[in-house]
Amino acid sequence: KQEVTQIPAALSVPEGENLVLNCSFTDSAIYNLQWFRQDPGKGLTSLLLIQSSQREQTSGRLNASLDKSSGRSTLYIAASQPGDSATYLCAVRLYNTDKLIFGTGTRLQVFP
Amino acid sequence: DAGITQSPRHKVTETGTPVTLRCHQTENHRYMYWYRQDPGHGLRLIHYSYGVKDTDKGEVSDGYSVSRSKTEDFLLTLESATSSQTSVYFCAISESQGPSQNQPQHFGDGTRLSIL
Repeated sequence: KQEVTQIPAALSVPEGENLVLNCSFTDSAIYNLQWFRQDPGKGLTSLLLIQSSQREQTSGRLNASLDKSSGRSTLYIAASQPGDSATYLCAVRLYNTDKLIFGTGTRLQVFP
Repeated sequence: DAGITQSPRHKVTETGTPVTLRCHQTENHRYMYWYRQDPGHGLRLIHYSYGVKDTDKGEVSDGYSVSRSKTEDFLLTLESATSSQTSVYFCAISESQGPSQNQPQHFGDGTRLSIL
């Protein structure tokens, strides 16, 4: 059974820091991995999707990497800002299904 | 933002009553999903649809049913609500799936449901 773990569960950093969020999964038979952001009381916003054949994806200050063989992905946020404060979720799409399996998220707070 | 509207946004009801949540999309996407989000469990898939009248179960489907009579609408029904179904429910859509089509899922803003 695929399990997705995110560490740390919560993170508080000062503005301007570069930071890394971690996601690990137990079964490497995945189609893709997706990173989401969730603001309080809101739905999920898709940030980056990495296909299983890719090593990384970049969007602005965000860079996500994928090491499928070791079951790990990282989300790198450069020069963090208070507006980055949110919960970040990763999800893997299982091979041969239409289902996403989510981690429980990392709650990030960036203070001025 | 993807055109996804969930209704109602908030609902409080009593145990044993039927409840229907609606998800409406304006993107003409083929795939639609219902998730629930609970502390400590993250998001879990309840049911999903891969076309009009085509649905399948997710990992926590017991006590829920769904219907999709039109591309744009996906309904989630709790036939007889229980307190364990108190949760935040999210609808998501995706343009396509399959090994050669890695399309992201886009989410609505959720429905907060409380069963007393």
